[in-house]
Amino acid sequence: LAKTTQPISMDSYEGQEVNITCSHNNIATNDYITWYQQFPSQGPRFIIQGYKTKVTNEVASLFIPADRKSSTLSLPRVSLSDTAVYYCLVVRGNTPLVFGKGTRLSVIA
Amino acid sequence: EAGVAQSPRYKIIEKRQSVAFWCNPISGHATLYWYQQILGQGPKLLIQFQNNGVVDDSQLPKDRFSAERLKGVDSTLKIQPAKLEDSAVYLCASSLQGTNQPQHFGDGTRLSIL
Repeated sequence: LAKTTQPISMDSYEGQEVNITCSHNNIATNDYITWYQQFPSQGPRFIIQGYKTKVTNEVASLFIPADRKSSTLSLPRVSLSDTAVYYCLVVRGNTPLVFGKGTRLSVIA
Repeated sequence: EAGVAQSPRYKIIEKRQSVAFWCNPISGHATLYWYQQILGQGPKLLIQFQNNGVVDDSQLPKDRFSAERLKGVDSTLKIQPAKLEDSAVYLCASSLQGTNQPQHFGDGTRLSIL
């Protein structure tokens, strides 16, 4: 599976839009991009998954350019409760998820 | 719907002792996973079950770790004997059968080895 690279940490003020970019240069044709969120002392929680262009749900948007070598998770108007670690993963069928270290987002009042 | 249940939430043992963790997946989820998460790192898959059969256990240290999923529902993960480097959070996850199904995680068991 394609290795992913994302920033180690990010800071944001409350109410701002946060964009976390992930690179996955070796993504294969059948691979999907998935994002998970993890709060302290909790297990990861699925946020969003996409294949190409744009996917939006009640929590976030996922932007994937045509070459699919990167993706951007967009969190609109973050609040303190969005402080968490965000993981970008490339998934293929039923192969195991491979988590990196993720991006630690700190939202400041 | 009820989420993935795990117990205990915390466990402290001495090295060379044994320990067991229990997981009850979401009802109807055929696939069950055990992950190990060391502080500051992302979760690492230990074993994956499809119903009561093992799909992938390539990263399970089989000399000391074992897991079973009798009857294709609940699962237990055991460590015997424990080593200091086994200190971690052990997460259980489950998903529906099928391609690219999202995984639903429990809150894990935090294991400390003294």
